[in-house]
Amino acid sequence: KAGVTQTPRYLIKTRGQQVTLSCSPISGHRSVSWYQQTPGQGLQFLFEYFSETQRNKGNFPGRFSGRQFSNSRSEMNVSTLELGDSALYLCASSRGQGAYNEQFFGPGTRLTVL
Amino acid sequence: SQKIEQNSEALNIQEGKTATLTCNYTNYSPAYLQWYRQDPGRGPVFLLLIRENEKEKRKERLKVTFDTTLKQSLFHITASQPADSATYLCALESRGIKAAGNKLTFGGGTRVLVKP
Repeated sequence: KAGVTQTPRYLIKTRGQQVTLSCSPISGHRSVSWYQQTPGQGLQFLFEYFSETQRNKGNFPGRFSGRQFSNSRSEMNVSTLELGDSALYLCASSRGQGAYNEQFFGPGTRLTVL
Repeated sequence: SQKIEQNSEALNIQEGKTATLTCNYTNYSPAYLQWYRQDPGRGPVFLLLIRENEKEKRKERLKVTFDTTLKQSLFHITASQPADSATYLCALESRGIKAAGNKLTFGGGTRVLVKP
């Protein structure tokens, strides 16, 4: 079975721009969660989507948004980029909804904001 | 406030010895706790899940304990090998902003370096 894939793997943007990251979950997995990882803050939960609905949300500003499509693929969008948004963005899929399920992580998208 | 604390200092250990990592939490009441391994430049990989009613869980050379009274989990790697060198993260369930289900909150991780 193919693992979780994320595109693009690397991205360089400038302040004020917006960015869209994509995640394809493992086949059969209906839940997709997004995380931001930085050296200072560690791995922080952004949101979880299940059956095209946002089921849970972390403590991030509204500039961070996402969606999930009927095939479970997910995208996250960050608008009006700030320097502090530079991070590794990780997507994880699981069979079911919620934190009980084992999370399968993708390789991440490394975003650099200049 | 809620906290999940893992030793931020790297753990240097000789090959063949047992590495023991701690995960302490404050103001959480998790029903279960997970451990992940992360290698540089890669996403975390799930290792073990332990429930609150389980005192201990084992998988090959890995052992996890969960003490809800002490609010602590211990993660042991026995007969450690250089290939075990990585960062190990604990994660536990917590409420998100929306009430529909819980989310995983991760500790900062502990880097383990196994020397041959």
